[in-house]
Amino acid sequence: QQQVKQSPQSLIVQKGGISIINCAYENTAFDYFPWYQQFPGKGPALLIAIRPDVSEKKEGRFTISFNKSAKQFSLHIMDSQPGDSATYFCAASKTSGNTPLVFGKGTRLSVIA
Amino acid sequence: DTAVSQTPKYLVTQMGNDKSIKCEQNLGHDTMYWYKQDSKKFLKIMFSYNNKELIINETVPNRFSPKSPDKAHLNLHINSLELGDSAVYFCASSQGTRGMSTEAFFGQGTRLTVV
Repeated sequence: QQQVKQSPQSLIVQKGGISIINCAYENTAFDYFPWYQQFPGKGPALLIAIRPDVSEKKEGRFTISFNKSAKQFSLHIMDSQPGDSATYFCAASKTSGNTPLVFGKGTRLSVIA
Repeated sequence: DTAVSQTPKYLVTQMGNDKSIKCEQNLGHDTMYWYKQDSKKFLKIMFSYNNKELIINETVPNRFSPKSPDKAHLNLHINSLELGDSAVYFCASSQGTRGMSTEAFFGQGTRLTVV
């Protein structure tokens, strides 16, 4: 049973455009929602994270939008650059208890000039 | 300095062999993990240790045995390797007493190929 569903599987965006990746979760006990970025041959690295007490968090060109009632959250990359080309993973976990981080299946983003 | 380091980076071995992957973190974190990333890039947790104590053991064949000699190290030993074990294995750590509630730092991965 997949607890975090991510879409699209792959995404091609023109340089300067907006990249949008969506995730939906099932477990209402989740209260921590990070996005990880992974380049080929490297480990995933935390990009930005949000907790459900806010509906939006922005860090530079990256924004998370969070909709608690719909159990959805999304990553927006403004002014996408070729250097943003990577695989992006959404994830979710509970901050208490033994729940591990559950990852979505990833989105391969290609930003073309 | 590398925060989470794994060795080796690449491992090619024959079916039936036994191999180990080592992981060390210098972040002073309490919790360490092993994740498996399959050919479709799906990341799935295998084990979680907190202060050398196993706290999560997902459905993993008992051919996989983690060992944590101290809280900075978490090694993964795999017996009787099978073709299906081929994947990239990531070690990670975080500062949290339970689960993965704070930022997790990942190593660079070990690409295991079983032939």
